[in-house]
Amino acid sequence: QVQLQESGPGLVKPSQTLSLTCTVSGGSITSGDYYWNWIRQPPGKGLEWIGYIYYSGTTYYNPSLKSRVTISVDTSKNQFSLKLSSVTAADTAVYYCAREDSSAFFFDYWGQGTLVTVSS
Amino acid sequence: EIVLTQSPGTLSLSPGERVTLSCRASQSVSSSYLAWYQQKPGQAPRLLIYGTSSRATAIPDRFSGSGSGTDFTLTISRLEPEDFAVYYCQHYGDSVMYTFGQGTKLEIK
Repeated sequence: QVQLQESGPGLVKPSQTLSLTCTVSGGSITSGDYYWNWIRQPPGKGLEWIGYIYYSGTTYYNPSLKSRVTISVDTSKNQFSLKLSSVTAADTAVYYCAREDSSAFFFDYWGQGTLVTVSS
Repeated sequence: EIVLTQSPGTLSLSPGERVTLSCRASQSVSSSYLAWYQQKPGQAPRLLIYGTSSRATAIPDRFSGSGSGTDFTLTISRLEPEDFAVYYCQHYGDSVMYTFGQGTKLEIK
């Protein structure tokens, strides 16, 4: 059974860059069948898709975040990562990584999520 | 961008009751790309329904989905105590864009 686990700093200062990593276990990130996504949820609010990466490095981002987001993949470590630059308090959220079947357009496996707070 | 509007925002019901949650799209969407998730406090969302009406692995048959065009529903035929949670609909749209509804909270009456 595939498992995803987010890791990274829980506190980031305004204007700095948020960096998170998702480690995938129980399956290979290089399987051509899946997209690897980041989704976030501000406290008490709904879900927002950030973007995804294919193992080849192809990425797609939410247009509202595109100028600040970079998603990358490290196939040797079975990991993918998120960088969000120039953060503000509005970027405070629980960040989830999630797997998507490349032919299905929904998210079937999720990490437990990690809270990132933007504060000085 | 397609906007998904869920209603009502909160529902207060008792175990054993039947409930139907609504998800309305701002324009007609493909039923192949409509999914539902359940989220409990402190947990990640869990996939319930995909392709409007297909249940995900290990989802009980008391959960069912239906709809087409702009109107989609999630029905729970008989509420169990563990079903009280927040429910989100999600759509995949053109230009590779995923959107979620704002959620419906199901609370115990």
